[in-house]
Amino acid sequence: QVQLQESGPGLVKPSETLSLTCTVSGGSISSYFWSWIRQSPGKGLECIAYVYYSGSTNYNPSLKSRATISVDRSKNQFSLKLYSVTAADTAVYYCARVQRYDYDSSGYLGWFDPWGQGALVTVSS
Amino acid sequence: QSVLTQPPSVSGAPGQRVSISCTGGDSNIGAGYDVHWYQQLPGIAPKLLIYGNSNRPSGVPDRFSGSKSGTSASLAITGLQAEDEADYYCQSYDSSLSGLYVFGTGTKVTVL
Repeated sequence: QVQLQESGPGLVKPSETLSLTCTVSGGSISSYFWSWIRQSPGKGLECIAYVYYSGSTNYNPSLKSRATISVDRSKNQFSLKLYSVTAADTAVYYCARVQRYDYDSSGYLGWFDPWGQGALVTVSS
Repeated sequence: QSVLTQPPSVSGAPGQRVSISCTGGDSNIGAGYDVHWYQQLPGIAPKLLIYGNSNRPSGVPDRFSGSKSGTSASLAITGLQAEDEADYYCQSYDSSLSGLYVFGTGTKVTVL
């Protein structure tokens, strides 16, 4: 079955760029939406952004244009960059596939399955 | 800044029934978007529990059930078991601003 694995530095300095990659195995990245979700320590879940395999994107406006999500179909991967990070960006970052009904071309009815195991990223000098 | 509100905690004795509410608004649940539920055990990624308001993925016990009405949804757990102690999150889509998937505030279920 499809499995997702996050990779990237676990420690990022304030004002620098957080970079994470999600590798999809056991299936193709094509025909799906893919998403990055984060969970700050002791807090709830927040969708950062999602991307269609063709490259169209949507972002959480609360991040004020600091995020970029992209997909690399040749590597079966998608990535997240978060710029100008602060301590408030310290969180476990999950990648996930958006599962949806065949008739739901927009993905608006979608749900997240499967999830990666999560990557803890700490922002600290 | 979750737009879906859940009670912080619910509890019940083994074998009892508990219910978790998820309250949204006219730009998400009330707009007709589906509600999905996840279970998160400590230190582990969330796991899909219910999709499309009331559907269980294979492998999820039928003790878990979901429903949706108006601007709210509910997750019920019947025959509560010790292994059900976890955090539970609802999720939907919100069409305000640029549109995005949104989660509930989360509910901690404690088995007494």
